[in-house]
Amino acid sequence: NAGVTQTPKFQVLKTGQSMTLQCAQDMNHEYMSWYRQDPGMGLRLIHYSVGAGITDQGEVPNGYNVSRSTTEDFPLRLLSAAPSQTSVYFCASSSLSDVYGYTFGSGTRLTVV
Amino acid sequence: AQSVTQPDIHITVSEGASLELRCNYSYGATPYLFWYVQSPGQGLQLLLKYFSGDTLVQGIKGFEAEFKRSQSSFNLRKPSVHWSDAAEYFCAVGSSNDYKLSFGAGTTVTVRA
Repeated sequence: NAGVTQTPKFQVLKTGQSMTLQCAQDMNHEYMSWYRQDPGMGLRLIHYSVGAGITDQGEVPNGYNVSRSTTEDFPLRLLSAAPSQTSVYFCASSSLSDVYGYTFGSGTRLTVV
Repeated sequence: AQSVTQPDIHITVSEGASLELRCNYSYGATPYLFWYVQSPGQGLQLLLKYFSGDTLVQGIKGFEAEFKRSQSSFNLRKPSVHWSDAAEYFCAVGSSNDYKLSFGAGTTVTVRA
């Protein structure tokens, strides 16, 4: 099925551990982004990319790294997890011809203890 | 920078009654405005969007929204609510010169029988 696939769906990390949240889309979308969702704060943009090899920071980039080596994949890396990074993470993609026609993944629920 | 305020954190409505969710935005130019719905455990789904033209916008699932520039508002309405409309609703604003969306904190809708 076409869409945005996020893995894993759930993850528990210990403080200081590292991990990568995976995001893949099969719609040949140029634009991809990562958001975190926290209660009472809506979704906040972490990083985004307008194409392979191009990434930029969003509203809350600290503690996160991204890369975009292919059109399909946009992984989000937590280098040293902190309890403040406990959140639900969403990946979204869109075509530059319909840049606001976002398709969202189903999310990754991350708990840092 | 653009921003969105959703004044109501939680709304309870009876099935069959009308629903109105408030959204106020801040943006210097003509905004791109969106309403998304998120069912429990799911990603976000676009209900409707406004770019320009007719200020009354029709969306999916029987929802509509009205853009009022004088009030900086983009309120969402539905004439008759169904139990399946219980969800969290997010208003978002995008700028005309980048691809970023800024989301409000969300309004949770509970539907009682």
